[in-house]
Amino acid sequence: DTGVSQNPRHKITKRGQNVTFRCDPISEHNRLYWYRQTLGQGPEFLTYFQNEAQLEKSRLLSDRFSAERPKGSFSTLEIQRTEQGDSAMYLCASSPPEGEKLFFGSGTQLSVL
Amino acid sequence: AQSVTQPDIHITVSEGASLELRCNYSYGATPYLFWYVQSPGQGLQLLLKYFSGDTLVQGIKGFEAEFKRSQSSFNLRKPSVHWSDAAEYFCAVGRRGGSYIPTFGRGTSLIVHP
Repeated sequence: DTGVSQNPRHKITKRGQNVTFRCDPISEHNRLYWYRQTLGQGPEFLTYFQNEAQLEKSRLLSDRFSAERPKGSFSTLEIQRTEQGDSAMYLCASSPPEGEKLFFGSGTQLSVL
Repeated sequence: AQSVTQPDIHITVSEGASLELRCNYSYGATPYLFWYVQSPGQGLQLLLKYFSGDTLVQGIKGFEAEFKRSQSSFNLRKPSVHWSDAAEYFCAVGRRGGSYIPTFGRGTSLIVHP
């Protein structure tokens, strides 16, 4: 069990640029979650995959955000045309088929200048 | 939709003192309830969870929490705090059936004085 891995750890970008983050879940976990966390707030749900199927997306998720999980293994989260309000920590979590315990990665800190 | 309220943004305790962090939830049925801890630079780690049964649940690192349906609360307690417990603590409520997707509170920052 090597844990949930997220890359990069930090990303600085200019407003209007596209960014992509990667998450590698724990190998036997079929469920994968993306959350966003801003300073002084708890994690906010973005989207959820079961295997390769994206089963749920937050209604708050802008259409500039897209996530994929090809082959049900790693996942990517892309933000197009970044805005300063996108600056946050992006967290990935995975869980086994029984689902209730989430294992979180250390996150990707995005700063949009 | 479910929601969680953590009324205390910061809590300061002395090392060795007891601790109680408050959590109130809103959910239409009996929820799944969780407490997670986040240390600087670390991912969130599950401390304990409540699904059903005994309303007093034990977790890791000496923490416990009590589910009180009448008060819609799930407060976290520890009898004696250690300096290493200083961290951000998040209460979360998960929906029953299907995806369990937890909704988190805003967190309580625990400061431990020597």
